[in-house]
Amino acid sequence: GAGVSQSPSNKVTEKGKDVELRCDPISGHTALYWYRQSLGQGLEFLIYFQGNSAPDKSGLPSDRFSAERTGGSVSTLTIQRTQQEDSAVYLCASSSGLAGVTDTQYFGPGTRLTVL
Amino acid sequence: AQSVSQHNHHVILSEAASLELGCNYSYGGTVNLFWYVQYPGQHLQLLLKYFSGDPLVKGIKGFEAEFIKSKFSFNLRKPSVQWSDTAEYFCAVSRRTGNQFYFGTGTSLTVIP
Repeated sequence: GAGVSQSPSNKVTEKGKDVELRCDPISGHTALYWYRQSLGQGLEFLIYFQGNSAPDKSGLPSDRFSAERTGGSVSTLTIQRTQQEDSAVYLCASSSGLAGVTDTQYFGPGTRLTVL
Repeated sequence: AQSVSQHNHHVILSEAASLELGCNYSYGGTVNLFWYVQYPGQHLQLLLKYFSGDPLVKGIKGFEAEFIKSKFSFNLRKPSVQWSDTAEYFCAVSRRTGNQFYFGTGTSLTVIP
């Protein structure tokens, strides 16, 4: 079956512009994660959605970052007024949601964001 | 600060050599441990995971990892690597409470034929 997909694969934007990154999780997966991977760094947790529960936004680095998940499926990560330090690969992962933090996460290919 | 440490950033091995990649974490309490791998041009995928039971965990492609609680370690091993094992390897930890996964910075493995 189809895996996790993300779009766009690459995004180049100018400092100060807003960007939207999209994630389509595996069908039926109720849990969805966003991560950021900066050059030479590990994956940094950003936000977690589980079903209809309130998202865990504890990893969002600033109020310029927000995410939503419509209908329990597709998720959009929005970065407002982008800064050069936002340049990174943004990864989305989904899991079945049945086993919580022991679940296997299935990752998408990522969106490489470059802020000029 | 609490963290996941992968001390080997780049490892180069010849085929048939044995592999051990280190992973140490500093989170207290009960943890779940994972190794993910990213082959060139592919997505991150799970190699193996531990959350209870036998601390020696076997994963795909002949990989195994041992959880040593007293050392806060979860090292990845493979007795004989192949060229196809060339990839980036990430250790990750989740805690029994909360939703976050904490990843190490990754180890790049290059296997020379």
